[in-house]
Amino acid sequence: DAKTTQPPSMDCAEGRAANLPCNHSTISGNEYVYWYRQIHSQGPQYIIHGLKNNETNEMASLIITEDRKSSTLILPHATLRDTAVYYCIVRLKIPNNAGNMLTFGGGTRLMVKP
Amino acid sequence: KAGVTQTPRYLIKTRGQQVTLSCSPISGHRSVSWYQQTPGQGLQFLFEYFSETQRNKGNFPGRFSGRQFSNSRSEMNVSTLELGDSALYLCASSLVDGAYNEQFFGPGTRLTVL
Repeated sequence: DAKTTQPPSMDCAEGRAANLPCNHSTISGNEYVYWYRQIHSQGPQYIIHGLKNNETNEMASLIITEDRKSSTLILPHATLRDTAVYYCIVRLKIPNNAGNMLTFGGGTRLMVKP
Repeated sequence: KAGVTQTPRYLIKTRGQQVTLSCSPISGHRSVSWYQQTPGQGLQFLFEYFSETQRNKGNFPGRFSGRQFSNSRSEMNVSTLELGDSALYLCASSLVDGAYNEQFFGPGTRLTVL
């Protein structure tokens, strides 16, 4: 799986958009970008994933650059409950013989402040 | 639909003992993965089971083992516990149907080795 680089921490004001960047310059053509988050003392939670088109769901939007070397997760109206560590992971969507593992980096610790 | 459940939630053991942790995946999910999370090493993949077979294994010593039953429930065992095994152990399940392999994590078992 391609490696990712994320800033270790970010702050965001409650009600404002939180934009979390991720660099994945070595991503291959068949690898997807996945985002998970982990709220303190809970298991990670899937947020969204995408290949090359922008994606949106009820939780967030994912913007992937045209060259696919970076992406941004957008939480449009951050709340205090969005305070968590956000992980950007690049991987194959369909497991191959190597299995279904996720390789987590350090993630970005997002602090939403009132 | 019930989520991934893990038992016990908290466990205290002493060095040299062994421990067994249990994970019940979401109904219909056949892939179960285990992860270890520590403050120093972050989230690290332990192993994955699919259809009762270990499909992939992370870089952990042989003291860490697991198995999966015909109903997809999984257990992991750690023998000869060391202080460094103190961690949050997370289980994740997924459908792995070739089209969608989002992983759903349980709340984890927090193991403390004294």
